[in-house]
Amino acid sequence: GQQLNQSPQSMFIQEGEDVSMNCTSSSIFNTWLWYKQDPGEGPVLLIALYKAGELTSNGRLTAQFGITRKDSFLNISASIPSDVGIYFCAGQSLPGANSKLTFGKGITLSVRP
Amino acid sequence: KAGVTQTPRYLIKTRGQQVTLSCSPISGHRSVSWYQQTPGQGLQFLFEYFSETQRNKGNFPGRFSGRQFSNSRSEMNVSTLELGDSALYLCASFPDGTLRDTQYFGPGTRLTVL
Repeated sequence: GQQLNQSPQSMFIQEGEDVSMNCTSSSIFNTWLWYKQDPGEGPVLLIALYKAGELTSNGRLTAQFGITRKDSFLNISASIPSDVGIYFCAGQSLPGANSKLTFGKGITLSVRP
Repeated sequence: KAGVTQTPRYLIKTRGQQVTLSCSPISGHRSVSWYQQTPGQGLQFLFEYFSETQRNKGNFPGRFSGRQFSNSRSEMNVSTLELGDSALYLCASFPDGTLRDTQYFGPGTRLTVL
């Protein structure tokens, strides 16, 4: 099935550094979501974006909905050890009647103390 | 408000058996979606239920089925298990009341097929 493009597969950063992750698609989405998953748990919603061009923050996290509606990025500032995990982007064509989420394969983030 | 709950959390089955997984959505949420997560394929959409009706379906064989009850709780069933069905099965719920609904995931059921 269709998937969103997330790369690289893994990222290694030093504690205190900022990190940016990008997610691209060949299709348009009306909602972009960013999730974080810890081992053995389900994804936890970090940020939801509903409008092209929208920039939204959640603490040290900032995400933007690309104006073409085919991409999104997530920025984590001043990383800390608990930021370690897998970060997924997800796109949703339309909530409700077509609520299927299409996911990227995720980026595994490691933070060196 | 309690989150999405899934039972059991871990399950071991053998090839050819069948399995039923359960999901209780967040109170007030009317829609439930199921996803399969494997290292190779990532997160793949299985199906979505709303008001006891399957509203959307992914590209999985007919061995995968589900249902939703009047209290919005959902079950998914996999018959004739294969080794490749080993995965984390995730359930997500959302209100389906506004255009800004987003899906919230449960912790998943880890299925191992031997």
